[in-house]
Amino acid sequence: NAGVTQTPKFQVLKTGQSMTLQCAQDMNHNSMYWYRQDPGMGLRLIYYSASEGTTDKGEVPNGYNVSRLNKREFSLRLESAAPSQTSVYFCASSEPASGANVLTFGAGSRLTVL
Amino acid sequence: EDQVTQSPEALRLQEGESSSLNCSYTVSGLRGLFWYRQDPGKGPEFLFTLYSAGEEKEKERLKATLTKKESFLHITAPKPEDSATYLCAVRAPGNTGKLIFGQGTTLQVKP
Repeated sequence: NAGVTQTPKFQVLKTGQSMTLQCAQDMNHNSMYWYRQDPGMGLRLIYYSASEGTTDKGEVPNGYNVSRLNKREFSLRLESAAPSQTSVYFCASSEPASGANVLTFGAGSRLTVL
Repeated sequence: EDQVTQSPEALRLQEGESSSLNCSYTVSGLRGLFWYRQDPGKGPEFLFTLYSAGEEKEKERLKATLTKKESFLHITAPKPEDSATYLCAVRAPGNTGKLIFGQGTTLQVKP
């Protein structure tokens, strides 16, 4: 029962570098989400994918891009990292059609931009 | 605007000292209020979902209740292992499944 797997767990970047955070789920969920968590700010939605082939902006999408590669995988890309993107990133998945719509989260990816 | 506010930001209790965490929300048509627990360095873990005013759910020392404007997470006789950050969220309008989170309450239970 892997659930939601995120890689890498830790990453340090210099300003201007690019990187991709990977996320995969094995629960056959249709919807996937990327959140960031900062002290005192709670979890804020960056992008989400309601189903395979669709992506939409969340609350804080600037500086990010996403790709829903297939039903299992949803990646988050930083094209030109900035110190303001230092954060902990969480991927999650859910099945809204089930009614319960419980989001299952990964363990997180801690990103530091110098 | 859909919004979730949690209080207090931090709470320190002695083992066995019962208390409550508050979650106030504004959302157009509640389709679920969620409580999660988050341990340091880990992702949030699901605890409860509440759907309608008056509903209650329990798990061990935790009981969640819901009114039309807020939810409470009651912790009865807490133990040090209950120390964690507790997150409240509401489901956003529409069929996307998005959750809107509050800032969280960090609970520390001292032995």
